[in-house]
Formats: sequence, structure tokens, C-alpha cells
Amino acid sequence: GNSVTQMEGPVTLSEEAFLTINCTYTATGYPSLFWYVQYPGEGLQLLLKATKADDKGSNKGFEATYRKETTSFHLEKGSVQVSDSAVYFCALSDVSLDTGNQFYFGTGTSLTVIP
Amino acid sequence: NAGVTQTPKFQVLKTGQSMTLQCAQDMNHEYMSWYRQDPGMGLRLIHYSVGAGITDQGEVPNGYNVSRSTTEDFPLRLLSAAPSQTSVYFCASSSTGTRRNGYTFGSGTRLTVV
Repeated sequence: GNSVTQMEGPVTLSEEAFLTINCTYTATGYPSLFWYVQYPGEGLQLLLKATKADDKGSNKGFEATYRKETTSFHLEKGSVQVSDSAVYFCALSDVSLDTGNQFYFGTGTSLTVIP
Repeated sequence: NAGVTQTPKFQVLKTGQSMTLQCAQDMNHEYMSWYRQDPGMGLRLIHYSVGAGITDQGEVPNGYNVSRSTTEDFPLRLLSAAPSQTSVYFCASSSTGTRRNGYTFGSGTRLTVV
């Protein structure tokens, strides 16, 4: 079946530090991969996506590369800011005979950036 | 602004009460879903719809009903609230399937059942 596993948090970093949040997946087909961000008290916002192997998604200084050989989609940012403090969700969408298009989320990783 | 609108933002219910969480989108999206978010468990799919008149169960459907009479609206009904349904509920929508476009999420409804 389909599933997403992401590193557990919480993660605390100093401003301007390098960020990596690991995400690995299992999928039966050819999934698309996403990173969502949730700021306190808000809904989830799409941060970036990649729809096929070797694609790199990027947005707001964040990037992630779809690695089929390692079934990974790790999120990285070279220099985090206090405003990046949020919960980050890795997600997968795929097509199955039973459920059609479906979305599968990781459990989320909380990031706190301190000045 | 276009998007997904959820109401109410906060709600407190007594055990056994019923209520409806509203969700509306103005983007003409075919796909709509309801998720609940609980600490340490990420988002779990409750029900989803691939178009008006079509709904199906997700991972945790028990205690919830949905209907999709129009493309725009996808209400979630709690039939008899239980403390285990205390959670944050998110509605989401997507066009032409989630596979390439991902979901647009509402801002959530925080529900407490006492």
C-alpha cells in the first residue's frame, strides 16, 4: 500500500542554520510528492511539489528532490528564519483501483527557529 | 478571495449532541475531502467525494456522515458527538484529481466534545 514516513520532531534550530526534514515513502504506482506547511492556528498550505522522479520542487528557499531509487523526498533549506517556524507535512498522492486519487500524509514535523 | 471556507472555526459540544461542519469552495473543484488532525497522528481521511452526488468513506468514517448535493458544498455531520471526536477538522478540495495539483485546505474547525 501507500504510506509516508517523516522524521519525528520537534526540531529546534538557530536562525540561519541548515534544515533537513527527512521523508520516505512507499507507493504501489507512480505517485506525486508534496510538502505542506502549517503555521500556528492555520490550515495546511502547499509549499512545493514534484510529480515525477528526479523532479525538484522549490519555493520560498525550500527545496526537495523526488528520488525514486531511495524512495525519498527530503525537505531542505539553506538558512532558516524565525518565520519558518511551523509544522511540515510530507504527502503523497497516487491512484488506486479501490479509492481513485488519494492523498497520504506523514505525521508532521514541528520546526521551531530561535533567534 | 477564492478558496475553501470552513465554518465554524471553533465549537464545543456536549456528548450526544449532533452538528454539521460546513465546507464550501468556489474554485469549481471536483474533489473534496474531510480530514481530522490529532496530535502525533497527522491527518486522517474521514470521507471524500469525487463529484456532486458521489461520496465514499476514508480511513476513519465511523460517527460521521457526508453528502455532496452541489459541487461547492461538502458538509460533515456528527450524528452523536463523543469525546473521541475532539479534534481539528480540515476540509480540502482539488481539481482534476490530487495526483498532480495537491489539495487546497480550509483553515480548520477546532471541535471539543465534553
